Amino acid sequence: DGGITQSPKYLFRKEGQNVTLSCEQNLNHDAMYWYRQDPGQGLRLIYYSQIVNDFQKGDIAEGYSVSREKKESFPLTVTSAQKNPTAFYLCASSIEPHSNQPQHFGDGTRLSIL
Amino acid sequence: DAKTTQPPSMDCAEGRAANLPCNHSTISGNEYVYWYRQIHSQGPQYIIHGLKNNETNEMASLIITEDRKSSTLILPHATLRDTAVYYCIVVRDYKLSFGAGTTVTVRA
Repeated sequence: DGGITQSPKYLFRKEGQNVTLSCEQNLNHDAMYWYRQDPGQGLRLIYYSQIVNDFQKGDIAEGYSVSREKKESFPLTVTSAQKNPTAFYLCASSIEPHSNQPQHFGDGTRLSIL
Repeated sequence: DAKTTQPPSMDCAEGRAANLPCNHSTISGNEYVYWYRQIHSQGPQYIIHGLKNNETNEMASLIITEDRKSSTLILPHATLRDTAVYYCIVVRDYKLSFGAGTTVTVRA
């Protein structure tokens, strides 16, 4: 079945450690997105990519980095510079960027600090 | 993007239609109304979207008022698996922003 796969489902990070969250899609979508969801704060955009080898910062990019070397993959690295990384991270994709085609989401990765 | 207002919660009987209202009085002409839902600890699921006309798909119907200041999502025959938080959002470009949504509980 086509879809978006995020892994791992749960992730624990030690202080000062970088961690990478995986996002893979087999929908042949050009655009991919990373959001962070916190209780009471809704969804906030971290980074998005419109096409391979291109990405732009969203509203809360500080402390995060991404790459888009393949169309199917858009990994997110949470660096040690991110001081409050505990959250539910959601990856999404859409057929094309800046369109009114819906974004489809993976099932998320829940990151916690040890 | 325009702000939306939804009731915080509602109950629905299994097998009955669920009508979820949403106000978006500041919507502009090129902004679409989207509905997503989220079951606890899962990613949001796209339901339906529309601009002016009413829309229907296999999951739901979307009724948008003529002045576009409000809309209603209709789940025609609610099941227990429809229990979730439902988000009504207005989107002009790519950036989604969910508010608190409506927590819908379907009861047997």
